[in-house]
Amino acid sequence: GAGVSQSPRYKVAKRGQDVALRCDPISGHVSLFWYQQALGQGPEFLTYFQNEAQLDKSGLPSDRFFAERPEGSVSTLKIQRTQQEDSAVYLCASSSRTGGANQPQHFGDGTRLSIL
Amino acid sequence: AQTVTQSQPEMSVQEAETVTLSCTYDTSESDYYLFWYKQPPSRQMILVIRQEAYKQQNATENRFSVNFQKAAKSFSLKISDSQLGDAAMYFCAYRSAYNFNKFYFGSGTKLNVKP
Repeated sequence: GAGVSQSPRYKVAKRGQDVALRCDPISGHVSLFWYQQALGQGPEFLTYFQNEAQLDKSGLPSDRFFAERPEGSVSTLKIQRTQQEDSAVYLCASSSRTGGANQPQHFGDGTRLSIL
Repeated sequence: AQTVTQSQPEMSVQEAETVTLSCTYDTSESDYYLFWYKQPPSRQMILVIRQEAYKQQNATENRFSVNFQKAAKSFSLKISDSQLGDAAMYFCAYRSAYNFNKFYFGSGTKLNVKP
């Protein structure tokens, strides 16, 4: 696709429910990143994939958060037993190469998650 | 971990004038990359400009330029001839050349452009 696509754009869930957020990166992009952006804050790193391998999950706040990218393209971020503090915008980004720290990340529009 | 600080939560500029957004960062690394991203209400983060730490020359992209002071760990963004479409949140970001899995973002500066 032309850009990074995320769905749904908005998600409202009751506390305790499980949610799944989808990211469709730019075609051919090897690297995929998830970020959590609280209201009025900058994005914070959650996890990183290189193809289907999850190489860094150090930013996941708890074991309720789980991400996968089974075929090296589409990725899903799952949050189990949601809590109110999980309310945030979840951003996905992809970039074209594994090497080259100067390669910019291309971001999606994010999913705004609200936990009631 | 590296930290990125944006000390101006909000700024305003008159259309056609120039504004400078500040950013400082803390790192012990010698090689890294710095970025400015723009986030309009649509939420999509858009790359504005980037700077390699090993380059002394300040990066420029049309109306956008940076003042990179490596010793002072400062990376400010100058927007010339401000336009209404420049109104957005602006985030400064740091990326290590050694562990480039992560971007470290500042807390952002909201830029208002007055007609």
